Amino acid sequence: DAKTTQPPSMDCAEGRAANLPCNHSTISGNEYVYWYRQIHSQGPQYIIHGLKNNETNEMASLIITEDRKSSTLILPHATLRDTAVYYCIVRVHSSGTYKYIFGTGTRLKVLA
Amino acid sequence: DTGVSQDPRHKITKRGQNVTFRCDPISEHNRLYWYRQTLGQGPEFLTYFQNEAQLEKSRLLSDRFSAERPKGSFSTLEIQRTEQGDSAMYLCASSQGTIPYNEQFFGPGTRLTVL
Repeated sequence: DAKTTQPPSMDCAEGRAANLPCNHSTISGNEYVYWYRQIHSQGPQYIIHGLKNNETNEMASLIITEDRKSSTLILPHATLRDTAVYYCIVRVHSSGTYKYIFGTGTRLKVLA
Repeated sequence: DTGVSQDPRHKITKRGQNVTFRCDPISEHNRLYWYRQTLGQGPEFLTYFQNEAQLEKSRLLSDRFSAERPKGSFSTLEIQRTEQGDSAMYLCASSQGTIPYNEQFFGPGTRLTVL
């Protein structure tokens, strides 16, 4: 059922940009890409979402390829508090609502 | 705190016992979701409510599992005759149906350990 593929882990130096890739080659035309992160023992926290265009908010930027088969989440200046598991999610429509299909995530470690 | 809350945060039980978890969504949210997360995996969808109606159940939700949302506010998830394979984090999320993007807000989860 998983619709996304992510590298299992990445390291990033504090203050540098963290670029987290995601493949979603089977995504349908009306399915959004969402990114959440989960810090140990907490529930997932929303970061950003997009459909076709690149998006930016106060937390991150989302770059989606033109064919929509992959995307990259960018944390512009990673801090130690950004250490977490990052999930790339495809949102699918089902039974009048939207379900999140999570992958296995990327464990990002920000190094001092 | 106006976020999603779950109770208890941790539950340890013996195999064969019944357990019940509670989720209180954000007050104006009419949609409520339950997910299960095992170690090293992403959350997996279990079931979804719109107001008090349970509209979808995953095949992961065996007949030992039952969820209710009697007044369209809080929800309970009960597991009967627990098995060791039920050990997981059970996450609840809620969303507002009138918001176009239906962002889901997650609670802190209930971690179940079945001995």
